[in-house]
Amino acid sequence: NAGVTQTPKFRVLKTGQSMTLLCAQDMNHEYMYWYRQDPGMGLRLIHYSVGEGTTAKGEVPDGYNVSRLKKQNFLLGLESAAPSQTSVYFCASNDRGNEEPQHFGDGTRLSIL
Amino acid sequence: GQQLNQSPQSMFIQEGEDVSMNCTSSSIFNTWLWYKQEPGEGPVLLIALYKAGELTSNGRLTAQFGITRKDSFLNISASIPSDVGIYFCAGQPPDSNYQLIWGAGTKLIIKP
Repeated sequence: NAGVTQTPKFRVLKTGQSMTLLCAQDMNHEYMYWYRQDPGMGLRLIHYSVGEGTTAKGEVPDGYNVSRLKKQNFLLGLESAAPSQTSVYFCASNDRGNEEPQHFGDGTRLSIL
Repeated sequence: GQQLNQSPQSMFIQEGEDVSMNCTSSSIFNTWLWYKQEPGEGPVLLIALYKAGELTSNGRLTAQFGITRKDSFLNISASIPSDVGIYFCAGQPPDSNYQLIWGAGTKLIIKP
């Protein structure tokens, strides 16, 4: 029962470094999402994908890029990390957009120094 | 943009007490969802509401989709220690098939 798996779980970066967060789902879902969660705020959508090979911008896309080369994987990239990107990042997936609830991974805690 | 106002921000309760929290918006939603998040984990769905006026229960949890489609509440009866966590509401706007608007969460703390 893996569901949605995020790697890594924790990472500390220096300003200007790059990294990629990986999300993998084994439920054959079409839709995948990347959110960030900051203290005292609701989840904010960074980018999403409605199927393999497609991506689209969400509410807060600046400073991030994504790729969905395989249906089961959704990658979130930070090309040049900034302290403002310190956050907890969550990946989610579902099969028919808002016709069914999203299933979440356990998050990646990212600190940018 | 659309916003959800979730209240209260936090609650300190005694074990056995009933809990009530709600979300309101100035805009209508097609779906209301209630999630719970525990430390170090992602949000887990508790209840999904798809029709205005709908009242749905999941064990000790009861949630309602407001008749105006602009609000929803979640009640927890006879709270127990494992109810501790952060509860989030999320609403689906009518004009989107993917977007969810999230509340800021209600942190539930049970007094020893």
